[in-house]
Amino acid sequence: ETGVTQSPTHLIKTRGQQVTLRCSSQSGHNTVSWYQQALGQGPQFIFQYYREEENGRGNFPPRFSGLQFPNYSSELNVNALELDDSALYLCASSFRLAGPVPETQYFGPGTRLLVL
Amino acid sequence: GQSLEQPSEVTAVEGAIVQINCTYQTSGFYGLSWYQQHDGGAPTFLSYNALDGLEETGRFSSFLSRSDSYGYLLLQELQMKDSASYFCAVGTSNYQLIWGAGTKLIIKP
Repeated sequence: ETGVTQSPTHLIKTRGQQVTLRCSSQSGHNTVSWYQQALGQGPQFIFQYYREEENGRGNFPPRFSGLQFPNYSSELNVNALELDDSALYLCASSFRLAGPVPETQYFGPGTRLLVL
Repeated sequence: GQSLEQPSEVTAVEGAIVQINCTYQTSGFYGLSWYQQHDGGAPTFLSYNALDGLEETGRFSSFLSRSDSYGYLLLQELQMKDSASYFCAVGTSNYQLIWGAGTKLIIKP
């Protein structure tokens, strides 16, 4: 049990719709990263937020956006959903004292998104 | 481009030792992490190396050679519960977190 929670656990949307996924970080953590994991593949880094600012982004289009709040909870927003967006979305909470990326990440259980 | 390579599948016997290799091609290497993921579960952190050498945590050890862009995860005294997928992940100085495709570890009794 990592103390990182995500909601909802499952979601079904249709192509073109918008979705918001939520993550509640572990207490004391200041960094959250979001990942997309397709079935049978490794997690793909979407972006990272540190103290409410995005400071690292993977190869994802601008329709993937996020927010980190003062209490270090976070949202991932995806606009204009495409069929290929169907995946498990994971958030990872961590504490960064220095350095560009966290050494240890604690993952939530994920949100499984299906786009029809 | 930036990439990590690890074997797709490794098979071992309960009680044995297994090594999972990871080679990486990235710019601005900062550190190498290892994660375990059981089917249907979330990744859990195993080990981290920023400097060359061996890090030991119980039955798990991880090694890094920055000059060779290579690392490995060593699992000793394998147990059936170690059957899972194992991922290496590289953090870079330009704020990227890059993961390998994962190695499925199959343990036979």
